[in-house]
Amino acid sequence: DGGITQSPKYLFRKEGQNVTLSCEQNLNHDAMYWYRQDPGQGLRLIYYSQIVNDFQKGDIAEGYSVSREKKESFPLTVTSAQKNPTAFYLCASSRGRSTEAFFGQGTRLTVV
Amino acid sequence: AQSVTQLGSHVSVSEGALVLLRCNYSSSVPPYLFWYVQYPNQGLQLLLKYTSAATLVKGINDFEAEFKKSETSFHLTKPSAHMSDAAEYFCAVTPFGSGSEKLVFGKGTKLTVNP
Repeated sequence: DGGITQSPKYLFRKEGQNVTLSCEQNLNHDAMYWYRQDPGQGLRLIYYSQIVNDFQKGDIAEGYSVSREKKESFPLTVTSAQKNPTAFYLCASSRGRSTEAFFGQGTRLTVV
Repeated sequence: AQSVTQLGSHVSVSEGALVLLRCNYSSSVPPYLFWYVQYPNQGLQLLLKYTSAATLVKGINDFEAEFKKSETSFHLTKPSAHMSDAAEYFCAVTPFGSGSEKLVFGKGTKLTVNP
C-alpha cells in the first residue's frame, strides 16, 4: 500500500542532543512537509520541500534542519538550538501543486 | 493572509445526535477549505475539501460542510453521531490555487460522543 511512514513512533532524548526523525513516502509525491503539533495549537509548518535538493523554511524553522536528497525521503533534525522540542511531529506529502496533503502517523518526541 | 477560527475547543454530543463543528475563515483571496480528522496519536486524514465547485461538499463517513461566502464559514456537520466519530477535527484554509505549503490550520475541536 502507498503511504507515508514516520519512524520511530515515540522518541526520547536528553536535553542538548540532536535527534533525527525519519519520513519516507512511496506515493511518488513531489512535495513534502514537516509540521509540529502542540496541544491546543493546531499544526504549524516547520519546513517544506517541493522538489529534490530544495527546501524552504516554514513558520517555525528555528532550531530545525532538513534535507531532501531523494524524492521519497525528507528527514527532520531537531537540534539542540530548539528551545522547546517536546511535541508531536507530523510529516505530509502532496502531489505537485495539489492542495490535498497526506499525513504520516506522527512521531512523538519527548526531551528530558 | 489567511486565518481560521474554530469555535469551541471541545464539543460533546450524544450518540445519534447531530454533529456541528464550526469553522470561520479569513482570507484576502478566494479560499480552498478543508476538514481533517485526527484520532489519538495518529496523523490527519482528509474528511472533505472545498475547491470552488459546489458549495455543499460531501465527505467520508456521512460528513458534509457548506461553504458560505457571506458568513466566511465552513461548518462541518453529520446528521447522526457515532461513537467512532470521537476524535479531533481541524479546519484548514489555503489561497485559491496554492499548494499545501500555504495551508493554515485552526486549533482543532475535540469531539466527544456519549453513549
